[in-house]
Amino acid sequence: NAGVTQTPKFRVLKTGQSMTLLCAQDMNHEYMYWYRQDPGMGLRLIHYSVGEGTTAKGEVPDGYNVSRLKKQNFLLGLESAAPSQTSVYFCASKGGAAYGYTFGSGTRLTVV
Amino acid sequence: KQEVTQIPAALSVPEGENLVLNCSFTDSAIYNLQWFRQDPGKGLTSLLLIQSSQREQTSGRLNASLDKSSGRSTLYIAASQPGDSATYLCAVVSGGYQKVTFGTGTKLQVIP
Repeated sequence: NAGVTQTPKFRVLKTGQSMTLLCAQDMNHEYMYWYRQDPGMGLRLIHYSVGEGTTAKGEVPDGYNVSRLKKQNFLLGLESAAPSQTSVYFCASKGGAAYGYTFGSGTRLTVV
Repeated sequence: KQEVTQIPAALSVPEGENLVLNCSFTDSAIYNLQWFRQDPGKGLTSLLLIQSSQREQTSGRLNASLDKSSGRSTLYIAASQPGDSATYLCAVVSGGYQKVTFGTGTKLQVIP
């Protein structure tokens, strides 16, 4: 089925470790986003991309980096994981202005 | 900065009741507004998308309205069922890069 695929679905990291979360979409969408969801905080935008080769900071970008080398993929990197980055991470994509968002199923990350 | 508020934060109703969820936003310069549902531990499922030029959208037992001038949207659920139990999120798309701002959500419980 067409949509947004996130890998991995679950991960446990030790403090200081690094990892990359992958988001892939097959809808030829220009816009892609990374959000984190925390209890009582709702969904917050980390980084976003408006097209291949572009990235921009969202609301809570510190501690994260992103890359959009291919239009269909948006990678979220944690260089040195901290317990404060324990969260559920969602990727989303969007076509043009008239289109809605499509979300992935999420990655549950625990940093110990 | 766009701010989105959803009232009530939680709602418990008996099966069969009609109900209304509210969403308000501070900046009326929006592209569109999208309603999602989120089941515990799951991703976001899109319910309805309303363009800024539209007044309402309907899908089955769901009807969403938009009053851009007053910064309000409502989600009407007819003849509620236990399967409707979930958290409902309102998302407003605005700004130069199609960024979405989420409301804090309404947690709905439909009691059999």
